[in-house]
Amino acid sequence: QSALTQPPSVSGSPGQSVTISCTGTSSDVGSYNRVSWYQQPPGTAPKLMIYEVSNRPSGVPDRFSGSKSGNTASLTISGLQAEDEADYYCSSYISSSTVVFGGGTKLTVL
Amino acid sequence: QVQLQESGPGLVKPSQTLSLTCTVSGGSISSGDYYWSWIRQPPGKGLEWIGYIYYSGSTYYNPSLKSRVTISVDTSKNQFSLKLSSVTAADTAVYYCVREEDTFDAFDIWGQGTMVTVSS
Repeated sequence: QSALTQPPSVSGSPGQSVTISCTGTSSDVGSYNRVSWYQQPPGTAPKLMIYEVSNRPSGVPDRFSGSKSGNTASLTISGLQAEDEADYYCSSYISSSTVVFGGGTKLTVL
Repeated sequence: QVQLQESGPGLVKPSQTLSLTCTVSGGSISSGDYYWSWIRQPPGKGLEWIGYIYYSGSTYYNPSLKSRVTISVDTSKNQFSLKLSSVTAADTAVYYCVREEDTFDAFDIWGQGTMVTVSS
């Protein structure tokens, strides 16, 4: 199974919006809505931010939103804040009850 | 609330077997709504799913690691464990135990992670 493709880095200024893409294939992202997004500040464990493409767990700000089109899922962060600076990872269910992650994207808040 | 805590040696010699245990507190590992997973992250690199186990003992592994991985569960101790055989330097990583919600395959609760170094 190949890792999902994410841009290595994105950046934005406070208050702006940024979008991180996660590209898979028709065997993973394109076939299932089991796409999740995780935030990992430096030196900490990842935190679930989005599940089932666009659902937010309790406590996650509504500035974080997810979507999917074809084989590509996206995470959008609006009203960017300094505390959003972190690495972000997507994941997707693939066949035979297995999971694959994206390579990760480093978000820099300028 | 549910918490997960990894434990095990921080240093393993090449060709030996890496063994880690995850203790679940604040909830039962026998809950039917979750899988119990291991995920690792080499220094400076991304996340890699290793595999997961259901409380009944059913297991699912990353195909690239399947020949070397065994995940087991001890419901009486509310623990699950990872064994990775024939380790090399490439297995050096932070290892996380994680709860996975089974309907959406979302990893919703993570342990703090434990660093395992493979070196002689």
